Amino acid sequence: DTEVTQTPKHLVMGMTNKKSLKCEQHMGHRAMYWYKQKAKKPPELMFVYSYEKLSINESVPSRFSPECPNSSLLNLHLHALQPEDSALYLCASSQDYRLGEQYFGPGTRLTVT
Amino acid sequence: AQSVTQLGSHVSVSEGALVLLRCNYSSSVPPYLFWYVQYPNQGLQLLLKYTTGATLVKGINGFEAEFKKSETSFHLTKPSAHMSDAAEYFCAVITASGNTPLVFGKGTRLSVIA
Repeated sequence: DTEVTQTPKHLVMGMTNKKSLKCEQHMGHRAMYWYKQKAKKPPELMFVYSYEKLSINESVPSRFSPECPNSSLLNLHLHALQPEDSALYLCASSQDYRLGEQYFGPGTRLTVT
Repeated sequence: AQSVTQLGSHVSVSEGALVLLRCNYSSSVPPYLFWYVQYPNQGLQLLLKYTTGATLVKGINGFEAEFKKSETSFHLTKPSAHMSDAAEYFCAVITASGNTPLVFGKGTRLSVIA
């Protein structure tokens, strides 16, 4: 099973709202990733967790707050977002950080109004 | 720093024709190379990967790619295009030493004409 699940599939939120995106994998992978993807662009890396520790934060604004409660779960907490944050947010996992292929979830389509 | 160049942001082929999507990489150390496909409003799906060993790699949906070190290329091919192949394709690379994150090319949109 190479499935990464993400919820919700779609999310519309106002600039003052607080919401969370969730990601789950049961492949025993020890690295998990958040990407942001704008239309007609490749995914941009936001955060990397390796063995449940934050390894990389690609200078992401503090209105995005990641959390890794356990080795199977990854959350992205959203607060006070801007309209330009509207995008497809993708979660991925891999056996180990930077080695091995990454498996992606279906994404959450986020619209900030 | 390593990079990936995908030649052609948009490729259009007729149904049944050969599909060729080009990818060149720059890496001073041995690379691991990947092709991903993304259908509209979906996540990325791994098509195939090259790590070590055989340079001709077969993937899902009839796609294959050949790693050519002398040309620093990893082009994706499929002998006969199907309408369902219409999607965005991304080439990606990491170094075998693991000291860089996954780097994506800009993507190539494949259209298949009936």
